[in-house]
Amino acid sequence: AQTVTQSQPEMSVQEAETVTLSCTYDTSESDYYLFWYKQPPSRQMILVIRQEAYKQQNATENRFSVNFQKAAKSFSLKISDSQLGDAAMYFCAYRRGWNTGNQFYFGTGTSLTVIP
Amino acid sequence: EADIYQTPRYLVIGTGKKITLECSQTMGHDKMYWYQQDPGMELHLIHYSYGVNSTEKGDLSSESTVSRIRTEHFPLTLESARPSHTSQYLCASSEGTGHYGYTFGSGTRLTVV
Repeated sequence: AQTVTQSQPEMSVQEAETVTLSCTYDTSESDYYLFWYKQPPSRQMILVIRQEAYKQQNATENRFSVNFQKAAKSFSLKISDSQLGDAAMYFCAYRRGWNTGNQFYFGTGTSLTVIP
Repeated sequence: EADIYQTPRYLVIGTGKKITLECSQTMGHDKMYWYQQDPGMELHLIHYSYGVNSTEKGDLSSESTVSRIRTEHFPLTLESARPSHTSQYLCASSEGTGHYGYTFGSGTRLTVV
């Protein structure tokens, strides 16, 4: 079974600084997708960034980037120039590849606090 | 604007009551999902549907039931609520391959007293 582990229940960062959230996963598959989701307090969970396992290049979306280490099964999220609006729960998620069902597996989340 | 809607956002109900949590999406997605989310725990899949008249149970055993009579609508029903059902319930949908991730609703926080 696939498992996703987020070992940091809570993290904090000073406004304008950089923070990295960790995620590891366990799989025997070679084709899969990885995601980071953001869930602000009492608000909708939204997709932050995604990575296809077959792509070696790390995904980037504005201030958000990932460090994808396929051999190590690691998928960390880096937030640069942190803003107050980045404060939220962040969930790492895994999905198996093509035509193997759509179920996502989520980690337990990391609560990010941004200090003004 | 395409989105996914859940109602109610908050619900406090007595033990033994029947409840239905509503979920609707305007994106025409075939695939829809219900997850249960507890603090400090990962999201657990309780039901999913790959299209009209298709429903399956997820990994987490649940006493709830679902139906999918229309593409846009995926309600979840608890016939007799119990305090153990207290949780947050998230509805999500995805396009066919799921490669682009889920779109989530805002969730329903259910408290059974």
